[in-house]
Amino acid sequence: SQQGEEDPQALSIQEGENATMNCSYKTSINNLQWYRQNSGRGLVHLILIRSNEREKHSGRLRVTLDTSKKSSSLLITASRAADTASYFCAYMEYGNKLVFGAGTILRVKS
Amino acid sequence: GAVVSQHPSRVICKSGTSVKIECRSLDFQATTMFWYRQFPKQSLMLMATSNEGSKATYEQGVEKDKFLINHASLTLSTLTVTSAHPEDSSFYICSASREVNQPQHFGDGTRLSIL
Repeated sequence: SQQGEEDPQALSIQEGENATMNCSYKTSINNLQWYRQNSGRGLVHLILIRSNEREKHSGRLRVTLDTSKKSSSLLITASRAADTASYFCAYMEYGNKLVFGAGTILRVKS
Repeated sequence: GAVVSQHPSRVICKSGTSVKIECRSLDFQATTMFWYRQFPKQSLMLMATSNEGSKATYEQGVEKDKFLINHASLTLSTLTVTSAHPEDSSFYICSASREVNQPQHFGDGTRLSIL
């Protein structure tokens, strides 16, 4: 399966600023998901956006999906030091298999 | 929320040892579980799909005799790294989902270090 692409690879911001991460993929999807991974830990599911949705919010998270461009973005508003983590997008292939993007390492400085 | 427990969290052992990693869904039944491998600062790569009561489905390039997967019940899947060597050192993560097209819930991973 082909891995999705994410940019930037790494992002360093000050606390209180917004962080935007982008993801592109190469196939048709039913939904796209975003996950967070703290260093040395497993992944935590953040948000799922379906292919017929364009935007979705969850707390300080805002996800957009553009199926014509095969891209998605994750915006974290008013970032906190605790948001420091790696963020991955993922889409589902046949058999419920997830294909992950390369990930963005976010560092929020306090 | 759904909880997936993975054990052990860290293993350090000598080359040639076989290591078993357990993945349990604590509060739901998972007919399918997934095993991933992650190298430092890289993304997760799917190794195999573990199906309860049947053989696992391995991704291309993953040696099934090297990475033995058993899914004996709806709440437990195990990954055994047989005759581990230093190149098998990695972070292994399992996941499970209640149903198809639902979010996967991940264990906390196992850091395997082979000396």
